[in-house]
Amino acid sequence: QVQLQESGPGLAKPSETLSLTCTVSAYSLTTDYYWAWIRQPPGKGLEWIGAISHNRSPNYNPSLESRVTISLDTSKDQFYLKLHSATAADTAVYYCARGYTSGSRFDSWGQGTLVTVSS
Amino acid sequence: SSELTQDPAVSVALGQTVRITCQGDSLRGSYASWYQQKPGQAPVLVIYGKNNRPSGIPARFSGSSSRNTASLTISGAQAEDEADYYCNSRDSAGNQGLFGTGTTVTVL
Repeated sequence: QVQLQESGPGLAKPSETLSLTCTVSAYSLTTDYYWAWIRQPPGKGLEWIGAISHNRSPNYNPSLESRVTISLDTSKDQFYLKLHSATAADTAVYYCARGYTSGSRFDSWGQGTLVTVSS
Repeated sequence: SSELTQDPAVSVALGQTVRITCQGDSLRGSYASWYQQKPGQAPVLVIYGKNNRPSGIPARFSGSSSRNTASLTISGAQAEDEADYYCNSRDSAGNQGLFGTGTTVTVL
């Protein structure tokens, strides 16, 4: 059964880059599934950040596109999120997930990791 | 429109039926997925496609859709169904994801 696990610093400074890694177990990243990042600010709803699939360009949320980079390393079974120029509004629980499409049907999720943006 | 709108909260008596709705233009072209999220936990997919349940999801969960509205029905709600529920779909272009505003279900 596929498992996903987020990792990375729990604290990022304003104006710096927030960086997270998702490690995937028991499933190959070279299949047609999409690998997505989704976040949830404290007490608020879910927000799709973007997704990537093997040999395809990533898709991003238009509201974040200018600051986001998602990449994939199939040799390490990992995919990554970089969110540049972080602000306090980026404080959230960040989830990685497997999607049947780029934007929907996320059938496996990591446990989530809280990232706080603060000086 | 790139939004999916849900009622903020709904309550249901134990053993009764509750329907949660999700409205948005993107639903005219793609089915909604539905997720259940309990406090401190990651969301869990409960319905996808026309009306499909992943393995392990009870049969009391069902989905339907009409025009720009998708619905999740819990038939015979149990105490463990108390949670936040989110709908999700692709946008009209098909590449981006949208999540609904979320509905808190309380089982009385």
